[in-house]
Amino acid sequence: RKEVEQDPGPFNVPEGATVAFNCTYSNSASQSFFWYRQDCRKEPKLLMSVYSSGNEDGRFTAQLNRASQYISLLIRDSKLSDSATYLCVVLDSGSARQLTFGSGTQLTVLP
Amino acid sequence: DAGVIQSPRHEVTEMGQEVTLRCKPISGHDYLFWYRQTMMRGLELLIYFNNNVPIDDSGMPEDRFSAKMPNASFSTLKIQPSEPRDSAVYFCASRYNVSPLHFGNGTRLTVT
Repeated sequence: RKEVEQDPGPFNVPEGATVAFNCTYSNSASQSFFWYRQDCRKEPKLLMSVYSSGNEDGRFTAQLNRASQYISLLIRDSKLSDSATYLCVVLDSGSARQLTFGSGTQLTVLP
Repeated sequence: DAGVIQSPRHEVTEMGQEVTLRCKPISGHDYLFWYRQTMMRGLELLIYFNNNVPIDDSGMPEDRFSAKMPNASFSTLKIQPSEPRDSAVYFCASRYNVSPLHFGNGTRLTVT
């Protein structure tokens, strides 16, 4: 079983739709969680950190469920510019590898 | 801040040649990571440093790969000799403590 697993996608949604991605992690001692966005042929960039109480940044909402060991990302009113690959990232402070990336979920927002 | 700076942006070389990739982390960051990304394998951690000291190099594919960090503002990843299967995008990233990771623009390596 992978340490961090994501919905493989691809997700193709119309503009204005709401879309949600899930990510599960295997290490219950994981410390911090992030969502990164990667555009085609570009580097991954931090989209948002994920806090225990859940957090929102404009159209984006991230949630953490420690009991079930998953995090989610909700995008409301999707825009064409939201098309990208979304990477779930987990930080395990006790692990030699520190950070574990999911394989990414590809989103395409269609006009 | 200029962010993480990598060079070169693109590198095309012939099989058997030595390749050196360079990285300047964000000033003040105490962790530096080297990743490799391909379509088939996604993002793979090769090695990371903490305060210039290599901590985990278990992701380095084989002895042809080596990485150094002589000081807090510079790191290199060297491949000698290079092979076609090394073709990938190589990212350097840095962070401070447990803060989020910041990536450089990457070096797109093509080995023919």
